[in-house]
Amino acid sequence: GAVVSQHPSWVICKSGTSVKIECRSLDFQATTMFWYRQFPKQSLMLMATSNEGSKATYEQGVEKDKFLINHASLTLSTLTVTSAHPEDSSFYICSAGVGGGYEQYFGPGTRLTVT
Amino acid sequence: GENVEQHPSTLSVQEGDSAVIKCTYSDSASNYFPWYKQELGKRPQLIIDIRSNVGEKKDQRIAVTLNKTAKHFSLHITETQPEDSAVYFCAACISGGATNKLIFGTGTLLAVQP
Repeated sequence: GAVVSQHPSWVICKSGTSVKIECRSLDFQATTMFWYRQFPKQSLMLMATSNEGSKATYEQGVEKDKFLINHASLTLSTLTVTSAHPEDSSFYICSAGVGGGYEQYFGPGTRLTVT
Repeated sequence: GENVEQHPSTLSVQEGDSAVIKCTYSDSASNYFPWYKQELGKRPQLIIDIRSNVGEKKDQRIAVTLNKTAKHFSLHITETQPEDSAVYFCAACISGGATNKLIFGTGTLLAVQP
């Protein structure tokens, strides 16, 4: 149980384009979904928290107009990186939370490379 | 805000030895402390967690201890095996208004030498 999928697993895009990443909880309903960013050999940095049907809460320093988050249902959240630049290249991981976010189950991550 | 420090950053042990990773947190209101194992290029996987009303929890070769007064918690792995090699992250859960969120430590790269 508690399986989270993420799509795509990797993507290469050109600078200036937008990329959408999907995060789905497959066998449970997640009240909250979280988006993290992880640079090589570094920790997970929380970007934003989203609850179904409401606007995402962004962490300090994260541009909400650049990283658009939509949480359309209790099983789906999307992250769109708009006007991507090479510095946006990173490993993006979502997680689905239960129990008010205490327990989080992570997706497999999406490796984004912007050329 | 909450800050989680983790030590050591790298740890090398011989197969069969024990490994200990320590974390400290700053927000005394934190009440949930999970540990995640992440293999290269893969998702973090929850291996054990502890809530603030408990001082110790054990699951086979893995145990976690929590000292609320000192605001630190530790992961103990006994009888280490090569497949334990990975990056381990501790985290502390803080209240972010209506939603709780995890603040992660910096990670420990554990290498178990056969």
